[in-house]
Amino acid sequence: GQSLEQPSEVTAVEGAIVQINCTYQTSGFYGLSWYQQHDGGAPTFLSYNALDGLEETGRFSSFLSRSDSYGYLLLQELQMKDSASYFCAVIPMGNFNKFYFGSGTKLNVKP
Amino acid sequence: GAVVSQHPSRVICKSGTSVKIECRSLDFQATTMFWYRQFPKQSLMLMATSNEGSKATYEQGVEKDKFLINHASLTLSTLTVTSAHPEDSSFYICSARDVRGQGPTEAFFGQGTRLTVV
Repeated sequence: GQSLEQPSEVTAVEGAIVQINCTYQTSGFYGLSWYQQHDGGAPTFLSYNALDGLEETGRFSSFLSRSDSYGYLLLQELQMKDSASYFCAVIPMGNFNKFYFGSGTKLNVKP
Repeated sequence: GAVVSQHPSRVICKSGTSVKIECRSLDFQATTMFWYRQFPKQSLMLMATSNEGSKATYEQGVEKDKFLINHASLTLSTLTVTSAHPEDSSFYICSARDVRGQGPTEAFFGQGTRLTVV
C-alpha cells in the first residue's frame, strides 16, 4: 500500500521561502509528483522527481531522497496567490497510470 | 496543456435519487480515466480507474454498485452516484491521461463536482 504524510498546515509571509515535506511508505514507485490545489479547484501539476535530487522549475523546486523515503517542495519568493493546498503523489510500481495523493498541506501566505 | 471538462460543477439532489457526473477529455483521447473523492480539508482519495470499453477497477472499500462508472468512448467517462445519501456529499474530481503520454505530466484533472445531498 501507499502512505504519504505531510504537515497539515504551514504559514509564511510574502517573499519568504517555505518547504513542504512529504514522508512516505510505499512498496515501490516510479516517481514523486507535486500538485497545487486552490479551494474548490482542480489539482494542477507542479513538479516531478523520478530520480533522487533536486528539480527546479522557476520559483518551485522539488527534492527526492529514496533512501530516506522523503521528499519536499520548496517555494521561493512567496506570493499571495501561492496560498493553496499542496499534495505530494506517487505513481506506484506496476501501475504507471495511478496517482496516490498525500495528506495535503494548506499553505497560508500572509502579507 | 490538455483540457479535461467535468460537468456539472455543482449539483444538489434529494436523498434517494441518482446523480450522473461527466468527465470529458476535450483535445486528446484517454483510454484511462480516474475518479477521486475529496472531503473538506482532506486529500484526494482514488475511488476507481475507468477503462474504455471494459469494467472499471474499484479501490478497496468503494461500493461498485453505488458508484457506477461507464467509459463508453475514448473521451468520456461518467460516474453515477446511485441512491444518494447525505454522507455521499463530497467533491468528486476526475482525471484523464493522454494515451500518447508516458510521463506524469500527461494526467490532467477536471474542475471537480461539488455534490450536496439533502
